[in-house]
Amino acid sequence: DAMVIQNPRYQVTQFGKPVTLSCSQTLNHNVMYWYQQKSSQAPKLLFHYYDKDFNNEADTPDNFQSRRPNTSFCFLDIRSPGLGDAAMYLCATSRERSYEQYFGPGTRLTVT
Amino acid sequence: AQRVTQPEKLLSVFKGAPVELKCNYSYSGSPELFWYVQYSRQRLQLLLRHISRESIKGFTADLNKGETSFHLKKPFAQEEDSAMYYCALRGNSGYSTLTFGKGTMLLVSP
Repeated sequence: DAMVIQNPRYQVTQFGKPVTLSCSQTLNHNVMYWYQQKSSQAPKLLFHYYDKDFNNEADTPDNFQSRRPNTSFCFLDIRSPGLGDAAMYLCATSRERSYEQYFGPGTRLTVT
Repeated sequence: AQRVTQPEKLLSVFKGAPVELKCNYSYSGSPELFWYVQYSRQRLQLLLRHISRESIKGFTADLNKGETSFHLKKPFAQEEDSAMYYCALRGNSGYSTLTFGKGTMLLVSP
C-alpha cells in the first residue's frame, strides 16, 4: 500500500537535546509538509518542500530545521527542544500544492 | 492573512439526528475549502473539497461566500461518523498551503 510513514511514533527527548523525526513516502509525491499540532489546536504548518525547494513559514522558529535528501524521505530536526515543543508532529505529502494532502500517523514528541 | 474558525469544540448528537459542523473563514480572495476527518486511531484524511461539489459518506458542504462559511452537513448521523473534523482553507496563489481550523469533535450516540 502506498503510504506516508513516520518514525518513531513516540519520541521522548530531554530539554535541549537535539532530536530528529523522520517521514518517508511511497507515493512519489513532489510536496512534503511538516505540521505541528498541540493539544486542542489546529495543525500548524512549519515548512514544506516542493521537490528540493524548501519553503519556510514566516513564524516557524529557527529551532526547527528540515532536510529532504531525496523524494522519499524528509526529516524534521529540532536543535534544542524546549518544553513548549512537546506536540504531535504530522508529515503530509501531495502530488502538487493544490492536490489532496496525505497524512502520516504522526510522531508524538515529549520533552522532559 | 487567512484564518479558519470552527466555533464548536464538541458536537454531541443522537444517531439519526441531523448534523451541522460550522466553519467560517477569513480570506481576501477566492479560497478553496476542505473538510478533513480523523477517526479514532486513524490518520487525518480528506473528506471533501468544495470544488468537487460531491457528497461523501452522506456529508455535503456548500461554500457561502457572502457569509464566508463552509458548514458540513449530514441529514442523519451514524455512530461511525464519530470523529474529529477539521475545516481547512487554501488560498488561490500557486504557493498557497492549507490553514486548518482547531477542529470539532463529533460524537454520535446510539
